[in-house]
Amino acid sequence: AQSVTQLGSHVSVSEGALVLLRCNYSSSVPPYLFWYVQYPNQGLQLLLKYTSAATLVKGINGFEAEFKKSETSFHLTKPSAHMSDAAEYFCAVSERSGNQFYFGTGTSLTVIP
Amino acid sequence: DAGITQSPRHKVTETGTPVTLRCHQTENHRYMYWYRQDPGHGLRLIHYSYGVKDTDKGEVSDGYSVSRSKTEDFLLTLESATSSQTSVYFCAISEPGTGQGWGQLFFGSGTQLSVL
Repeated sequence: AQSVTQLGSHVSVSEGALVLLRCNYSSSVPPYLFWYVQYPNQGLQLLLKYTSAATLVKGINGFEAEFKKSETSFHLTKPSAHMSDAAEYFCAVSERSGNQFYFGTGTSLTVIP
Repeated sequence: DAGITQSPRHKVTETGTPVTLRCHQTENHRYMYWYRQDPGHGLRLIHYSYGVKDTDKGEVSDGYSVSRSKTEDFLLTLESATSSQTSVYFCAISEPGTGQGWGQLFFGSGTQLSVL
C-alpha cells in the first residue's frame, strides 16, 4: 500500500518568508501526488497535483511543488508567506488507476505578522 | 465549486442510536468516498463506491456501512453510534483521468458529528 509522511505537524513562518512544507511518499511506482489546503471549518480544496507531466508543478495562490523521484519527495513551497496562507495542508498520493487516495496527517501553517 | 452537498452539517446524537449521513453530487462522478478527520490522524478512508451498488471498505470501516442506490447519492450509516465515532466526516468524489478536473478528489463541506 502507498503511504505519505508529512514532516512537521506545525510550521510557523513570518509574513513574507519562504514557506516549505515537506512530504515524502512510499510507492514502488511513481504515483500521482497532490497537495490540498483546508481553511478553518471548511472542506479540502486542491492546491496542485502531479500526474507525471512536468516535475515542477504550479498551483493556486502562488504555491508550487517539485516531484523528486530519487528522494520520493513532493515538498510544497511558496516564496513569500501571506497571512491568508494560514491553514492546514495535506499531502496525498494516489495510484495511477486514480481511485485510491492516501493522505498524510497534515501540517498546520501559522503565519506570524 | 464542485456540486457536493453533505447533510446534515451538524449532528448531535446519543450512544447506541443509528445515524445516517448523506452525500449528494451533481457532477456525475463515478467514485464517491467517505472520510473521517481526527486530530493527529489526518483523513482516513471509511468506505468508497465505484458505481451504483458497488462499494468497498477503507481502512477504518468497522462500525460503518454505506449504500449507493443512485449515482448521485452515497449514504454513510452508523448502525449504533459510539463516542469514538465523534468526528468530522467528509464526502469526496472523483473521476479518473489526468486532465483538468480529473483524477483528483473534490470534497464536500463536512459533517460535524458528536456522539454523547
